[in-house]
Amino acid sequence: DAGVIQSPRHEVTEMGQEVTLRCKPISGHNSLFWYRQTMMRGLELLIYFNNNVPIDDSGMPEDRFSAKMPNASFSTLKIQPSEPRDSAVYFCASSRDRVGHTEAFFGQGTRLTVV
Amino acid sequence: GESVGLHLPTLSVQEGDNSIINCAYSNSASDYFIWYKQESGKGPQFIIDIRSNMDKRQGQRVTVLLNKTVKHLSLQIAATQPGDSAVYFCAEKSSGDKLTFGTGTRLAVRP
Repeated sequence: DAGVIQSPRHEVTEMGQEVTLRCKPISGHNSLFWYRQTMMRGLELLIYFNNNVPIDDSGMPEDRFSAKMPNASFSTLKIQPSEPRDSAVYFCASSRDRVGHTEAFFGQGTRLTVV
Repeated sequence: GESVGLHLPTLSVQEGDNSIINCAYSNSASDYFIWYKQESGKGPQFIIDIRSNMDKRQGQRVTVLLNKTVKHLSLQIAATQPGDSAVYFCAEKSSGDKLTFGTGTRLAVRP
């Protein structure tokens, strides 16, 4: 299995531009998570989906952030308009519901820089 | 804006010694815990997990201990190697599949 695949690996964009981050979870996993990691706040959960349905988006910073999961093999996290304070590494992770074991597997992350 | 980042606690150990990394969790309802390792430039990687009905679980060179009374989790690494140098996170799950991560501990292995 290729693991969780994120694209792009690096993104540099100007303030005000729209940014779209992409994620392909591990096949067969039915939970998907978007995390943001910064030096200031560590690893923060933004939103997670179960069976393609958003379950908890309480970590989404504000209306500029939106996430979708149109099918079991693809999710996007969009920031519009982007701001310099959005600069961070964004991780996608997936897990499979199994009794007793629900570890999440992480992708390599997308390093976003907003200038 | 803020100018001070998270101050990660750092554990420095001699190669070959045992390492113990500690974590305090906050939610007494949490029923599942995971330790992750994150190397520079990579995503967190699963190491070992434990459910709340256990107090100890062993893997290859790693042991996780859970003390629910004081809400404390520890990761023990035997015979620490240079490749163990990384940031280690504990994570807790209290409802659904949502994992909440701690701030992390940096492990530095001295040759």
